[in-house]
Amino acid sequence: AQSVTQPDIHITVSEGASLELRCNYSYGATPYLFWYVQSPGQGLQLLLKYFSGDTLVQGIKGFEAEFKRSQSSFNLRKPSVHWSDAAEYFCAVGSLNNNDMRFGAGTRLTVKP
Amino acid sequence: EADIYQTPRYLVIGTGKKITLECSQTMGHDKMYWYQQDPGMELHLIHYSYGVNSTEKGDLSSESTVSRIRTEHFPLTLESARPSHTSQYLCASSERQGAGGTQYFGPGTRLLVL
Repeated sequence: AQSVTQPDIHITVSEGASLELRCNYSYGATPYLFWYVQSPGQGLQLLLKYFSGDTLVQGIKGFEAEFKRSQSSFNLRKPSVHWSDAAEYFCAVGSLNNNDMRFGAGTRLTVKP
Repeated sequence: EADIYQTPRYLVIGTGKKITLECSQTMGHDKMYWYQQDPGMELHLIHYSYGVNSTEKGDLSSESTVSRIRTEHFPLTLESARPSHTSQYLCASSERQGAGGTQYFGPGTRLLVL
């Protein structure tokens, strides 16, 4: 079965600084990879997804992620963080044939003024 | 923008009460899910459904039950709530079989059992 690891529980960055959130997955076949964001008291909103093709994926709110098969990683990046980006970020892995999606434990992002 | 709704958003209830958490989606998705989420933890799948009259248990054991009588509606019921059921419950739906289909989430129900 697939699994996801988000090594960083909590990250703090200054507003305007760049951001990279790490995600490592374990899955034997080609994975489907997702990043979701959750604001306090809200459900999960899809930021971006990778199914196939170009390994650099663009998402909403200026986020992008790069699929690196050799490193089993799908790190999320943003060149300049805004205060409104403070939230919890979840990486997830699924596959075409499995019946469920595995989520990481999440990374909480704090943005300093 | 996904159209998936959950009610109530917040619920405080006493031990032993029966509760039903509602989830509805207007996207015509076949597959629906219930997840349990605790602070600092990954989401755990507790139930899912392929379509009408189909329900399956997820990888996390749960004392709750679900039903799927209509495509758009996937309620979750706890017959006798206990403090251990205190958590956030997230409903989601996707448009095709298998986890390759993107899942869209509702806003969640935060449950506190006293």
